[in-house]
Amino acid sequence: GQSLEQPSEVTAVEGAIVQINCTYQTSGFYGLSWYQQHDGGAPTFLSYNALDGLEETGRFSSFLSRSDSYGYLLLQELQMKDSASYFCAVKDRNQGGKLIFGQGTELSVKP
Amino acid sequence: DAGVTQSPTHLIKTRGQQVTLRCSPKSGHDTVSWYQQALGQGPQFIFQYYEEEERQRGNFPDRFSGHQFPNYSSELNVNALLLGDSALYLCASSWRGREMPTGEQYFGPGTRLTVT
Repeated sequence: GQSLEQPSEVTAVEGAIVQINCTYQTSGFYGLSWYQQHDGGAPTFLSYNALDGLEETGRFSSFLSRSDSYGYLLLQELQMKDSASYFCAVKDRNQGGKLIFGQGTELSVKP
Repeated sequence: DAGVTQSPTHLIKTRGQQVTLRCSPKSGHDTVSWYQQALGQGPQFIFQYYEEEERQRGNFPDRFSGHQFPNYSSELNVNALLLGDSALYLCASSWRGREMPTGEQYFGPGTRLTVT
């Protein structure tokens, strides 16, 4: 089966940098996605890594190491509005479009 | 351009009843996936529809069924409701040709179902 592990919560201050880690186990890894979800809101797509390395999108970057079954989301210049839950999710090539989500990391940004 | 829409927003049902939730995908999208999200948990995949057929299914009982219409909209039906079915039900749409290489799905705001 598939499983993902990520920290349940992280706290950081405004303007700082924070890294949210994700380790995964899956039989047919295809790619790792990251989603942001504010309280009561819809998850929104942040990034996707299918190959090793760093993908940068503005203040957010995502990294993948396929050999280590590990990835992380890096958030720079933190803002109060970044307080939300962040989910990593894997796509399994044996499972088509099915996304398997982690339990989520609740990020609290303090002033 | 409207994003993914879902109806109703909130719903309260009694154990044993049946419920139908509706989803309209983002314009240009042809694939709809349904997820169940319990409080404090990540979304759990229920199933995915493409070309009006169920393509993938998660570990959910047959009480959960769905349908996709020719205009790509979709319904999720849950029969014989249990207290444990109380959750946020999320619909996500994607364009199949883009979703596989990018993993990108667009989520709707969800339907909050409470079973009493």
